[in-house]
Amino acid sequence: QKEVEQNSGPLSVPEGAIASLNCTYSDRGSQSFFWYRQYSGKSPELIMSIYSNGDKEDGRFTAQLNKASQYVSLLIRDSQPSDSATYLCAVTDTDKLIFGTGTRLQVFP
Amino acid sequence: NAGVMQNPRHLVRRRGQEARLRCSPMKGHSHVYWYRQLPEEGLKFMVYLQKENIIDESGMPKERFSAEFPKEGPSILRIQQVVRGDSAAYFCASSQSGTNYGYTFGSGTRLTVV
Repeated sequence: QKEVEQNSGPLSVPEGAIASLNCTYSDRGSQSFFWYRQYSGKSPELIMSIYSNGDKEDGRFTAQLNKASQYVSLLIRDSQPSDSATYLCAVTDTDKLIFGTGTRLQVFP
Repeated sequence: NAGVMQNPRHLVRRRGQEARLRCSPMKGHSHVYWYRQLPEEGLKFMVYLQKENIIDESGMPKERFSAEFPKEGPSILRIQQVVRGDSAAYFCASSQSGTNYGYTFGSGTRLTVV
């Protein structure tokens, strides 16, 4: 059974701080990695993708991938209350994505 | 440029009834995926379809659940003889070329079985 694991949280950070979200996966064959944001009662929204080892930056978001350790992370710089949501890690499993259970992030003013 | 369209947004069914959930993928997308999300849980893969073909149904329960994506019209997820445990949010996603660039999700159908 291929798995994606995330700490469910909640992760509480003050406004302006860096939020660090982590994810591990079991399948060494996974090739593509994604972070989705899901607000309560809404659908998941793709915010980052990463395909090779290292860092990928997009605005306040940085995704990090380490295939040897089977580890993906998402850093959110200058966290805002509007970043409060559940963040889902997803990895490819042959022809589909499998998702972690998500980490709930709370950014307090 | 409409996104992934799902309807209805909310569906209430009595135990034993049938539920039909519809999904129209984004224009130009031929890959459709259905996921189920129980309260406080992650997204669980159910089925992956392309036009007129089921590609991967490894996540579908063996009984009562079926899915189709006909040549014309939306993809349909059908749940027969619903039970309370079927109450969940059902999300459809579409992509242009498989998983390479991730999916775009629809707004979901919230099914409540009473």
